[in-house]
Amino acid sequence: SQTIHQWPATLVQPVGSPLSLECTVEGTSNPNLYWYRQAAGRGLQLLFYSVGIGQISSEVPQNLSASRPQDRQFILSSKKLLLSDSGFYLCAWSSRNTEAFFGQGTRLTVV
Amino acid sequence: GESVGLHLPTLSVQEGDNSIINCAYSNSASDYFIWYKQESGKGPQFIIDIRSNMDKRQGQRVTVLLNKTVKHLSLQIAATQPGDSAVYFCAETRPGNMLTFGGGTRLMVKP
Repeated sequence: SQTIHQWPATLVQPVGSPLSLECTVEGTSNPNLYWYRQAAGRGLQLLFYSVGIGQISSEVPQNLSASRPQDRQFILSSKKLLLSDSGFYLCAWSSRNTEAFFGQGTRLTVV
Repeated sequence: GESVGLHLPTLSVQEGDNSIINCAYSNSASDYFIWYKQESGKGPQFIIDIRSNMDKRQGQRVTVLLNKTVKHLSLQIAATQPGDSAVYFCAETRPGNMLTFGGGTRLMVKP
Protein backbone atom coordinates (compact mmCIF):
# COMPACT_ATOMS: atom_id res chain seq x y z
CA SER A 1 0.00 0.00 0.00
CA GLN A 2 1.04 3.56 -0.54
CA THR A 3 2.18 5.78 2.31
CA ILE A 4 3.45 9.31 2.61
CA HIS A 5 5.89 10.50 5.23
CA GLN A 6 6.40 14.12 6.12
CA TRP A 7 8.72 15.47 8.78
CA PRO A 8 9.23 17.11 11.15
CA ALA A 9 5.75 17.45 12.66
CA THR A 10 6.57 20.75 14.35
CA LEU A 11 9.38 23.20 13.89
CA VAL A 12 10.33 26.49 15.50
CA GLN A 13 12.92 28.46 13.60
CA PRO A 14 14.37 31.96 14.01
CA VAL A 15 13.93 34.60 11.35
CA GLY A 16 16.71 34.39 8.80
CA SER A 17 17.47 30.72 9.38
CA PRO A 18 17.27 28.13 6.59
CA LEU A 19 14.47 25.60 6.18
CA SER A 20 14.28 22.10 4.84
CA LEU A 21 11.10 20.03 5.00
CA GLU A 22 11.14 16.58 3.54
CA CYS A 23 8.41 14.41 2.13
CA THR A 24 8.73 10.86 0.82
CA VAL A 25 6.21 8.54 -0.74
CA GLU A 26 6.27 4.74 -0.69
CA GLY A 27 4.42 2.16 -2.68
CA THR A 28 3.97 4.05 -5.94
CA SER A 29 6.08 5.33 -8.78
CA ASN A 30 6.09 8.60 -10.71
CA PRO A 31 3.54 10.32 -8.47
CA ASN A 32 2.44 13.92 -8.77
CA LEU A 33 3.79 15.69 -5.70
CA TYR A 34 2.49 18.84 -4.03
CA TRP A 35 3.43 21.28 -1.30
CA TYR A 36 0.63 23.31 0.28
CA ARG A 37 0.62 25.93 2.99
CA GLN A 38 -2.30 26.63 5.25
CA ALA A 39 -2.56 29.66 7.51
CA ALA A 40 -4.60 29.24 10.69
CA GLY A 41 -8.30 29.07 9.91
CA ARG A 42 -7.79 29.39 6.18
CA GLY A 43 -7.73 27.29 3.03
CA LEU A 44 -5.00 25.38 1.23
CA GLN A 45 -2.58 27.42 -0.81
CA LEU A 46 -0.70 25.45 -3.44
CA LEU A 47 2.98 26.37 -3.33
CA PHE A 48 4.65 23.88 -5.66
CA TYR A 49 3.79 20.81 -7.64
CA SER A 50 5.89 18.32 -9.54
CA VAL A 51 5.02 15.78 -12.22
CA GLY A 52 8.49 14.22 -12.35
CA ILE A 53 12.10 14.30 -11.16
CA GLY A 54 13.54 17.78 -11.48
CA GLN A 55 10.22 19.20 -12.73
CA ILE A 56 8.89 21.85 -10.37
CA SER A 57 6.11 24.33 -10.96
CA SER A 58 5.58 27.25 -8.64
CA GLU A 59 2.15 28.70 -8.08
CA VAL A 60 3.04 31.84 -6.16
CA PRO A 61 6.16 33.98 -5.91
CA GLN A 62 7.65 33.57 -2.47
CA ASN A 63 10.59 33.04 -0.24
CA LEU A 64 10.50 29.27 -0.69
CA SER A 65 11.79 26.77 -3.23
CA ALA A 66 11.17 23.10 -3.89
CA SER A 67 13.23 20.27 -5.30
CA ARG A 68 12.59 16.70 -6.36
CA PRO A 69 15.92 14.91 -6.34
CA GLN A 70 14.31 11.47 -6.53
CA ASP A 71 11.06 10.15 -7.91
CA ARG A 72 9.40 9.86 -4.50
CA GLN A 73 11.12 12.63 -2.60
CA PHE A 74 9.94 16.23 -2.45
CA ILE A 75 11.80 18.88 -0.45
CA LEU A 76 10.64 22.35 0.54
CA SER A 77 13.40 24.82 1.33
CA SER A 78 14.19 28.37 2.22
CA LYS A 79 17.54 30.10 2.54
CA LYS A 80 16.25 32.72 4.99
CA LEU A 81 12.92 32.38 6.74
CA LEU A 82 10.56 35.29 7.23
CA LEU A 83 7.93 35.69 9.93
CA SER A 84 5.30 35.40 7.21
CA ASP A 85 6.53 31.89 6.39
CA SER A 86 4.88 30.56 9.54
CA GLY A 87 2.06 28.14 8.83
CA PHE A 88 1.00 24.56 8.42
CA TYR A 89 2.79 22.89 5.51
CA LEU A 90 1.30 19.88 3.83
CA CYS A 91 2.85 17.50 1.35
CA ALA A 92 0.60 15.41 -0.88
CA TRP A 93 0.84 12.94 -3.74
CA SER A 94 -1.53 11.72 -6.39
CA SER A 95 -1.51 9.44 -9.38
CA ARG A 96 -2.88 10.64 -12.69
CA ASN A 97 -6.49 11.69 -12.19
CA THR A 98 -6.96 10.21 -8.74
CA GLU A 99 -7.41 11.69 -5.31
CA ALA A 100 -4.47 13.23 -3.47
CA PHE A 101 -3.14 11.70 -0.28
CA PHE A 102 -1.78 14.05 2.31
CA GLY A 103 0.96 13.79 4.87
CA GLN A 104 0.30 14.73 8.47
CA GLY A 105 1.73 18.21 8.02
CA THR A 106 4.48 20.32 9.55
CA ARG A 107 3.59 23.23 11.77
CA LEU A 108 6.28 25.85 11.25
CA THR A 109 6.61 28.79 13.60
CA VAL A 110 9.13 31.45 12.67
CA VAL A 111 10.13 33.56 15.67
CA GLY B 1 -6.79 31.13 -5.54
CA GLU B 2 -7.96 34.23 -3.79
CA SER B 3 -10.22 32.30 -1.41
CA VAL B 4 -7.33 30.69 0.44
CA GLY B 5 -6.52 34.01 2.11
CA LEU B 6 -9.99 34.50 3.52
CA HIS B 7 -11.33 33.11 6.78
CA LEU B 8 -13.24 29.93 6.16
CA PRO B 9 -17.03 30.21 6.03
CA THR B 10 -18.70 28.31 8.83
CA LEU B 11 -21.73 26.06 8.76
CA SER B 12 -23.25 25.37 12.16
CA VAL B 13 -25.70 22.48 12.51
CA GLN B 14 -27.42 20.65 15.32
CA GLU B 15 -26.34 17.12 16.08
CA GLY B 16 -28.60 14.70 14.24
CA ASP B 17 -29.53 17.15 11.49
CA ASN B 18 -28.38 16.80 7.90
CA SER B 19 -25.57 19.02 6.64
CA ILE B 20 -25.09 20.35 3.15
CA ILE B 21 -21.76 21.86 2.15
CA ASN B 22 -21.51 23.54 -1.22
CA CYS B 23 -18.67 24.19 -3.62
CA ALA B 24 -18.47 26.02 -6.93
CA TYR B 25 -15.72 24.80 -9.23
CA SER B 26 -14.06 26.81 -11.90
CA ASN B 27 -13.02 24.63 -14.82
CA SER B 28 -15.72 23.23 -17.07
CA ALA B 29 -13.18 20.69 -18.37
CA SER B 30 -12.71 19.13 -14.93
CA ASP B 31 -13.97 15.59 -14.87
CA TYR B 32 -13.06 14.31 -11.43
CA PHE B 33 -14.11 15.78 -8.10
CA ILE B 34 -13.24 14.95 -4.53
CA TRP B 35 -14.34 15.94 -1.04
CA TYR B 36 -11.84 16.04 1.78
CA LYS B 37 -12.25 16.36 5.53
CA GLN B 38 -9.57 18.06 7.60
CA GLU B 39 -9.55 17.82 11.36
CA SER B 40 -7.60 20.29 13.43
CA GLY B 41 -3.84 19.86 13.13
CA LYS B 42 -4.06 17.05 10.60
CA GLY B 43 -3.80 16.64 6.87
CA PRO B 44 -6.97 16.42 4.75
CA GLN B 45 -8.50 12.96 4.42
CA PHE B 46 -10.41 11.65 1.41
CA ILE B 47 -14.16 11.30 1.96
CA ILE B 48 -15.78 10.62 -1.38
CA ASP B 49 -15.24 11.28 -5.07
CA ILE B 50 -17.31 11.52 -8.20
CA ARG B 51 -16.56 11.53 -11.92
CA SER B 52 -18.26 13.77 -14.40
CA ASN B 53 -20.25 10.96 -15.97
CA MET B 54 -22.27 10.78 -12.75
CA ASP B 55 -24.44 13.31 -10.96
CA LYS B 56 -24.76 11.55 -7.62
CA ARG B 57 -22.73 9.17 -5.56
CA GLN B 58 -23.43 7.83 -2.10
CA GLY B 59 -21.17 6.60 0.64
CA GLN B 60 -21.74 5.84 4.26
CA ARG B 61 -23.79 8.80 5.55
CA VAL B 62 -22.37 11.01 2.80
CA THR B 63 -23.67 11.88 -0.64
CA VAL B 64 -21.98 13.97 -3.29
CA LEU B 65 -24.04 15.74 -5.93
CA LEU B 66 -22.57 17.15 -9.13
CA ASN B 67 -24.30 19.72 -11.31
CA LYS B 68 -22.11 20.28 -14.35
CA THR B 69 -24.47 22.81 -15.86
CA VAL B 70 -23.76 25.35 -13.14
CA LYS B 71 -20.41 23.89 -12.06
CA HIS B 72 -21.60 23.10 -8.57
CA LEU B 73 -20.68 20.32 -6.19
CA SER B 74 -22.25 19.55 -2.85
CA LEU B 75 -21.59 17.22 0.05
CA GLN B 76 -24.49 16.02 2.13
CA ILE B 77 -23.87 14.46 5.52
CA ALA B 78 -26.79 12.60 7.04
CA ALA B 79 -27.42 12.61 10.79
CA THR B 80 -24.46 14.86 11.52
CA GLN B 81 -22.38 13.83 14.51
CA PRO B 82 -19.89 15.76 16.68
CA GLY B 83 -17.10 13.81 15.01
CA ASP B 84 -18.07 15.39 11.71
CA SER B 85 -16.86 18.76 12.96
CA ALA B 86 -13.98 19.67 10.68
CA VAL B 87 -13.06 21.71 7.64
CA TYR B 88 -14.31 20.32 4.33
CA PHE B 89 -12.62 20.99 1.01
CA CYS B 90 -13.72 20.19 -2.50
CA ALA B 91 -11.16 19.57 -5.23
CA GLU B 92 -11.35 19.27 -9.01
CA THR B 93 -9.04 17.91 -11.65
CA ARG B 94 -8.89 16.77 -15.21
CA PRO B 95 -6.57 14.23 -16.89
CA GLY B 96 -2.93 15.19 -16.79
CA ASN B 97 -3.52 18.06 -14.44
CA MET B 98 -3.06 18.72 -10.78
CA LEU B 99 -5.80 18.92 -8.22
CA THR B 100 -7.24 22.35 -7.55
CA PHE B 101 -8.80 22.91 -4.13
CA GLY B 102 -11.69 25.13 -3.19
CA GLY B 103 -11.50 27.49 -0.23
CA GLY B 104 -13.04 25.14 2.35
CA THR B 105 -15.98 25.28 4.76
CA ARG B 106 -15.82 24.80 8.51
CA LEU B 107 -18.58 22.55 9.85
CA MET B 108 -19.46 22.95 13.51
CA VAL B 109 -21.82 20.46 15.08
CA LYS B 110 -23.71 21.60 18.15
CA PRO B 111 -24.61 18.92 20.70
